[in-house]
Amino acid sequence: GQQLNQSPQSMFIQEGEDVSMNCTSSSIFNTWLWYKQDPGEGPVLLIALYKAGELTSNGRLTAQFGITRKDSFLNISASIPSDVGIYFCAGPSGGGADGLTFGKGTHLIIQP
Amino acid sequence: EPEVTQTPSHQVTQMGQEVILRCVPISNHLYFYWYRQILGQKVEFLVSFYNNEISEKSEIFDDQFSVERPDGSNFTLKIRSTKLEDSAMYFCASSALDETEAFFGQGTRLTVV
Repeated sequence: GQQLNQSPQSMFIQEGEDVSMNCTSSSIFNTWLWYKQDPGEGPVLLIALYKAGELTSNGRLTAQFGITRKDSFLNISASIPSDVGIYFCAGPSGGGADGLTFGKGTHLIIQP
Repeated sequence: EPEVTQTPSHQVTQMGQEVILRCVPISNHLYFYWYRQILGQKVEFLVSFYNNEISEKSEIFDDQFSVERPDGSNFTLKIRSTKLEDSAMYFCASSALDETEAFFGQGTRLTVV
């Protein structure tokens, strides 16, 4: 089946630093979603991307959908403690009412 | 803001017992989903539901699993005879349209002992 590869697996950064993480796939996705998950909670949608090349911002978050539709990056500027969590990329598995395929996540840890 | 709600938040059950996990999707959404997340792993798709029937299911969703929308608001996942390996967080999600953003509930932590 389709797979999404996220990198890095984990990031240790200082508060205030900018963060960049990405997600790649061997197959084309029509939609690319970025979620954040806090421990014991459900994934929370951050940004949705629908068009190749699309660049979308949500506050300090910026995400871009790659031209080939096989990759995406998520940037977080000026990180703050509440940015800690696991960031997942996800995309629809195929046509119809398919569920989402998730990446394995990037675990963001902020050191004070 | 509309949200997906799930009950219970925690469920402990003995191996072999049946469990029903409940969800209330966002009211104007048409597509409903169940996902599973084993501790420390990624979120895995189980089943999608549209127009009162299963649209797609993964290989995880075997004969022990079933879903139902018993009325206009609830969406349930039943596990007929739980196994130890069914222990996981189970998330319900809904979306307004196909292949658009899905909104997730807070999850039910199922522990099979």
